[in-house]
Amino acid sequence: GQSLEQPSEVTAVEGAIVQINCTYQTSGFYGLSWYQQHDGGAPTFLSYNALDGLEETGRFSSFLSRSDSYGYLLLQELQMKVSASYFCAPDRDDKIIFGKGTRLHILP
Amino acid sequence: GAGVSQSPSNKVTEKGKDVELRCDPISGHTALYWYRQSLGQGLEFLIYFQGNSAPDKSGLPSDRFSAERTGGSVSTLTIQRTQQEDSAVYLCASSLRAGGLETQYFGPGTRLLVL
Repeated sequence: GQSLEQPSEVTAVEGAIVQINCTYQTSGFYGLSWYQQHDGGAPTFLSYNALDGLEETGRFSSFLSRSDSYGYLLLQELQMKVSASYFCAPDRDDKIIFGKGTRLHILP
Repeated sequence: GAGVSQSPSNKVTEKGKDVELRCDPISGHTALYWYRQSLGQGLEFLIYFQGNSAPDKSGLPSDRFSAERTGGSVSTLTIQRTQQEDSAVYLCASSLRAGGLETQYFGPGTRLLVL
């Protein structure tokens, strides 16, 4: 089977740290991507984890544990401009699977 | 260079009519993907192309939906006898090659409204 779970919504305060979790179940797993989508905009690539561990890119970090079929996106020093939806997307064979995404609300 | 472009940006049509949506990928990108996104929902995979071939059409919702790609470049998604439930944003993405190691670059989408 194939499944993908991430919270539908997360709320955090400006300047704080927030973690968006993702659990997946899919055959032929290669790696996990994260995409960001602002309201009315197109999704844009954030990060890709092919190996276990933490990948850091500025204020974004992404983590993968293959044995646990689990990953997360960590956003630090939250700014209002990162209010958006975030999609974890496991890569299966030649296709990326997108889920429903997590809507991140940031409070001032 | 130019990104992924889609046309039209908006399309309003009457139930039962056929519509054609176009996607121009980034030059040199061999993989092209079509997704559908309803309001407030995630991305629903429809079909992808590697070159002009479509290895995976499993996401097409019904036989009213078809897609083709010619010359390894432009792709068209055709919806025949549109229904109101077809209303959504249709997103196209391209990547150098298929697979997650390759970043997908998305176009701005076509917003389809079926009355």
